[in-house]
Amino acid sequence: QVQLQESGPGLVKPSGTLSLTCAVSGGSISGRDWWTWVRQPPGKGLEWIGEIYHGGTTNYNSSLKSRVTMSVDKSKNHFSLHLSSLIAADTAVYHCAAANDYRIDYWGQGTLVTVSS
Amino acid sequence: QSALTQPASVSGSPGQSITISCTGTSSDVGAYNFVSWYQHHPGKAPKLIIYEVSNRPSGVSNRFSGSKSGNTASLTISGLQAVDEADYHCYSYTSTTAYVFGTGTKVTVL
Repeated sequence: QVQLQESGPGLVKPSGTLSLTCAVSGGSISGRDWWTWVRQPPGKGLEWIGEIYHGGTTNYNSSLKSRVTMSVDKSKNHFSLHLSSLIAADTAVYHCAAANDYRIDYWGQGTLVTVSS
Repeated sequence: QSALTQPASVSGSPGQSITISCTGTSSDVGAYNFVSWYQHHPGKAPKLIIYEVSNRPSGVSNRFSGSKSGNTASLTISGLQAVDEADYHCYSYTSTTAYVFGTGTKVTVL
């Protein structure tokens, strides 16, 4: 059973960069195809941010593409999200997840990131 | 890519059946059978309950069922129980931005 745990700062400043890491346990990061980030702004629905293949190929939400970078570190069995040029609307609970065959099989519990000065 | 449209809330009494719709377009729900549904109790990790329109993962109650007609997918919960009170989100592969979620539905058990 794959388990995922997000980590990173809970408060970031406007115009800054959000950096989150997702630690993968219960399996190798090379053992599944796509590693995914999803966010949920307060009171709103889930939003797909993007995904990274364990080999490094990425797909990003077109609305965030210019500000998003994802990476995988196989040696540490974790993957990361970087979101730049932050605005208040980026305040959300950020979930990391594991996907195969066009569905998300495992999710992290999520971490709240607030964008505020 | 706009979010798939779900009703904001659906309610039912214990034992009843409810259905949640998820309306997309011919570029997502209507084009692919890659629609999945997630149950989300706030503060916890979402849980996959339906994949590929109508398949249930191992361990998921058979009270959950899924279907699709045209550009609209549906999730039905039969024999509604208090533990079913949660948020439900649909999710689809799309030809435009890879994946898109629904707007989310809050299920209340009366």
